[in-house]
Amino acid sequence: YVLTQPPSVSEAPGQTATITCGGSNIERKIVHWYQQRPGQAPVLVVHDDTDRPSGIPERFSGSKSGKLATLTISRVEAGDEADYFCQVWDTSGGLVVFGGGTKLTVL
Amino acid sequence: QVQLQESGPGLVKPSGTLSLTCTVSNYSINNGYYWGWIRQSPGKGLEWIGNFFHTGKTYYNPSLKSRVIISVDTSKNQFSLNLSSVTAADTAVYYCGRLLAGNYYSPIHYWGQGTLVTVSS
Repeated sequence: YVLTQPPSVSEAPGQTATITCGGSNIERKIVHWYQQRPGQAPVLVVHDDTDRPSGIPERFSGSKSGKLATLTISRVEAGDEADYFCQVWDTSGGLVVFGGGTKLTVL
Repeated sequence: QVQLQESGPGLVKPSGTLSLTCTVSNYSINNGYYWGWIRQSPGKGLEWIGNFFHTGKTYYNPSLKSRVIISVDTSKNQFSLNLSSVTAADTAVYYCGRLLAGNYYSPIHYWGQGTLVTVSS
């Protein structure tokens, strides 16, 4: 099972960044999102498609429509510059699958 | 706040066995939740290795299953990863973590800081 993410996304501070994650029948899967800053461990920012763990700003939101899951970061800040990974559990293969990651650059 | 810390050799010879331990603080492994291992090759994406429950139930990545054993020592509140017959392709930062919810398909919520293991002679 393959999850496809754009390699990079750029956005100016204060604007809205959208990062997509595509996969076969993704509409039937539960999608999670992680943020990974350089040299650090990943941080879970969205789970179960749309939920945020405690401590994650409301600026981070998840959605799913059709063949794509989307992570939206509103009012982008310099500190949001990081790699973002989507993740699902592939029931047919019996494994966790990660997308290839998207590097968000804040201009 | 749950804390996890990976430890183990930073250098392993090809064809050898990679052995890492994850020490958990501020939460007992016996209290539930699944726990797991993830790795990340230098400059690359994340790869799931496996998840386990303290009762012994384990789920492994099929691509690694023949070489992986995850075990737990509840008396020390630690769990371990053993990966045999390693090659340079196993060079990566290895992370341990605790899943968000009490099921095996939940995302990892708490992460260790990661430890770099290099496979080289």
